Amino acid sequence: EVQLVQSGAEVKKPGESLKISCKGSGYSFTSYWIGWVRQMPGKGLEWMGIIYPGDSDTRYSPSFQGQVTISADKSISTAYLQWSSLKASDTAMYYCARRDQWLVDYWGQGTLVTVSS
Amino acid sequence: EIVLTQSPGTLSLSPGERATLSCRASQSVSSSYLAWYQQKPGQAPRLLIYGASSRATGIPDRFSGSGSGTDFTLTISRLEPEDFAVYYCQQYGSSLMYTFGQGTKLEIK
Repeated sequence: EVQLVQSGAEVKKPGESLKISCKGSGYSFTSYWIGWVRQMPGKGLEWMGIIYPGDSDTRYSPSFQGQVTISADKSISTAYLQWSSLKASDTAMYYCARRDQWLVDYWGQGTLVTVSS
Repeated sequence: EIVLTQSPGTLSLSPGERATLSCRASQSVSSSYLAWYQQKPGQAPRLLIYGASSRATGIPDRFSGSGSGTDFTLTISRLEPEDFAVYYCQQYGSSLMYTFGQGTKLEIK
């Protein structure tokens, strides 16, 4: 069974750094792209970027380029999304999702990030 | 960048009724690359329809998708209580980037 399990909720202060994770299982982790999606409170879905764990090829949506860093450690089947300096506007639910050919089929359960002073 | 506009923003219907949700693209989209997702409160999105009209694994046949070019439709033939949720259309553009519509909330009347 394909599963993407994300790390738990985080509460941070503005300016702090953060790295959240997404662990894949039940399939060949290095053979499928993993994307990240933001959902701000009460809002819709926004595509942030994507990584191919096999070779760490990474692409960012223009809106998120330079704002976050996507990485992966294929030895532990885990993808990451990180911030070097959080802002209150980063408060959102973040989902990882697997890309199969062009289709985004399996999603993680989401990680809620709250940034507040 | 292609913009997807969903309508209506909110749809109020009763169980047993038929729901028709619209997704309009700012320019032509390949039908192969158009999908629909359902999201319930506190849950991740779930894939319903891909390739504009193919149901994902385990999706009941009361859900159907249609359309081409710039106009796509998700139809739920007979609403069940568990169908009340937010629905998003999504298209695959290029360079591994995706665009979502703003969503349609299907609520119980």
